[in-house]
Amino acid sequence: DAEITQSPRHKITETGRQVTLACHQTWNHNNMFWYRQDLGHGLRLIHYSYGVHDTNKGEVSDGYSVSRSNTEDLPLTLESAASSQTSVYFCASSPGSGVGETQYFGPGTRLLVL
Amino acid sequence: GESVGLHLPTLSVQEGDNSIINCAYSNSASDYFIWYKQESGKGPQFIIDIRSNMDKRQGQRVTVLLNKTVKHLSLQIAATQPGDSAVYFCAENPPGAAGNKLTFGGGTRVLVKP
Repeated sequence: DAEITQSPRHKITETGRQVTLACHQTWNHNNMFWYRQDLGHGLRLIHYSYGVHDTNKGEVSDGYSVSRSNTEDLPLTLESAASSQTSVYFCASSPGSGVGETQYFGPGTRLLVL
Repeated sequence: GESVGLHLPTLSVQEGDNSIINCAYSNSASDYFIWYKQESGKGPQFIIDIRSNMDKRQGQRVTVLLNKTVKHLSLQIAATQPGDSAVYFCAENPPGAAGNKLTFGGGTRVLVKP
């Protein structure tokens, strides 16, 4: 069955290290999104992509970057991890066939920055 | 700025009773709305959606009502079961949000009492 996966599911890192979170979907969706979820803030959009080689900044993009080299993957990189980036990260995708589409979420990555 | 919000942060429901979860949205031009369910340690899961040209939509044990006059969205769960215990949140697709960007509410926790 088609799905969206994230890895790792849990990660502990140190301040200043570069970290990359993987997101892989097998639905052949054009649109992919990265969110972070924190208590009191709900889901906040970090970066998103409408297709291969397309990337866009979301509302909380500082300190994060993404690249889209193929349809299936949108890795999220924390260039220099900070304690404020401790969070749960969710990847999502949607077909990209028009407006008003559901986004389908991965299981999440729990990141702890010490 | 524009936002989606919820009236009740926590809802306690007796097993077998009906649940009603409310959501207020601020962008009157939003044309698409989604309800998600998020169980502990998991990613948000699509429940039901509704477009702005509809007032009501029914799924299996769930009904979404849209009142555009007062910008209010509700999710009704019939015969609530222990497996319905989760955080529920609504999302809207504001106008001009190309690529299906969604704005998410903060969530309501539903606790089902046996």
